[in-house]
Order: sequence, then structure tokens, then C-alpha cells
Amino acid sequence: AAGVIQSPRHLIKEKRETATLKCYPIPRHDTVYWYQQGPGQDPQFLISFYEKMQSDKGSIPDRFSAQQFSDYHSELNMSSLELGDSALYFCASSSGLNEQFFGPGTRLTVL
Amino acid sequence: AQSVTQLDSQVPVFEEAPVELRCNYSSSVSVYLFWYVQYPNQGLQLLLKYLSGSTLVKGINGFEAEFNKSQTSFHLRKPSVHISDTAEYFCAVSLAPSGGYNKLIFGAGTRLAVHP
Repeated sequence: AAGVIQSPRHLIKEKRETATLKCYPIPRHDTVYWYQQGPGQDPQFLISFYEKMQSDKGSIPDRFSAQQFSDYHSELNMSSLELGDSALYFCASSSGLNEQFFGPGTRLTVL
Repeated sequence: AQSVTQLDSQVPVFEEAPVELRCNYSSSVSVYLFWYVQYPNQGLQLLLKYLSGSTLVKGINGFEAEFNKSQTSFHLRKPSVHISDTAEYFCAVSLAPSGGYNKLIFGAGTRLAVHP
């Protein structure tokens, strides 16, 4: 069965650079969620989209923005990167059944 | 607001022994409850979920959990663990009912370490 795809899987950036993370949901899933998991921490909700509209917003810094496109894939754009942004970023998708399927994550390292 | 408390940060156990990972939640409204497992350097995999109905929920890999509304708990159990169960386990809640776009709120996680 198709799963959630995230790219890239690993990303290394310098401070103050920008990064773009991509998420391709399971086919026919209409909702995408983004979570951030810092080292040794639990995943924290960042933002979600339903039918290409932002549906909820969590502890997402103003330096970050995201959107969901017409093909339902989503991108998380991160600017002015800081050392504290180093984390595992998960994307999850659902089809309204409230079960979220998680992708493998993108590990972002900011040097 | 909802919150999740996992009472044990680490649980060491010997292989083939039973294990219980504890989870309590706080919410003024009805919630859905989940347990996820995360193996090292991997994503989150759903073990089981409680949406409604029977309070005893069976999941994958021999795990089960019991929803106790009066105690606001959702403890995860396995009667006999294997070395391969060594991982981080997260309890999570989301609001219910919903249109399918409710965020998950996670507990801090419990590291299960199975020893031979």
C-alpha cells in the first residue's frame, strides 16, 4: 500500500539559510499535518491543511510557512534557520477518519 | 485544552515478561486515543486506537490497550515482550468527533527496553 512520502529524508543547512520540506500524502487523503520532533522530545503539532486550506495552527514560528497544493502535496518552508530548528519533521495524512498515517520524516540539521 | 501524561519515561523489562506502559489524559471533551511506536531513526507507526465502542482495543504486534473513562487512562499492555519491541512508545489524543482534521497531542514518550 502507498504510504506518505517525504523529501528530502535528510537536510543539512547553515544558520540563516532557508529550507523547503515536501510531503506527498497517501492517495485520496485530503488532510495533511506537520509535526516537529526535537531530539529526545515528543512530536509537536505545527500546522494542518484540509482540502488545501489551513485547518489548524500550532506552535509554528513566524519564520515558517506552509501550504497544500492542488494535487494535495504540501510544502513546509523554513527561513532564517536557527540551531534550534534542528529536528525531525514529520508529515502525516488522513482521509477524515481521524487516523493519521505518518511519513518517515525529514531530519533537518542546522549548523 | 487536552494533555497527555506518560507516567514512565523508561521501562526496562526482560524478554517474555509482561509489560504495561501507562498513559493518562486530560480533556473536558471526548477524545480519540492512540498509541504509536517509533523505532530508532524511523517514523511513527500506529499500534492501536480507541475511537468508540469496546474499551479493550487490540492492536498490532500483540499489543492491547484499555480505555478507562473514569480514570482517564489508556494503558498499553503486552503479555510477553520480545527484544524487537524495544522502541519509544507515544500515547496521543485528538478531539472527537471531528471532520478528520484534528491535531494529535502526544505524551512525552516511554522508552521500552527489552533485555534478554
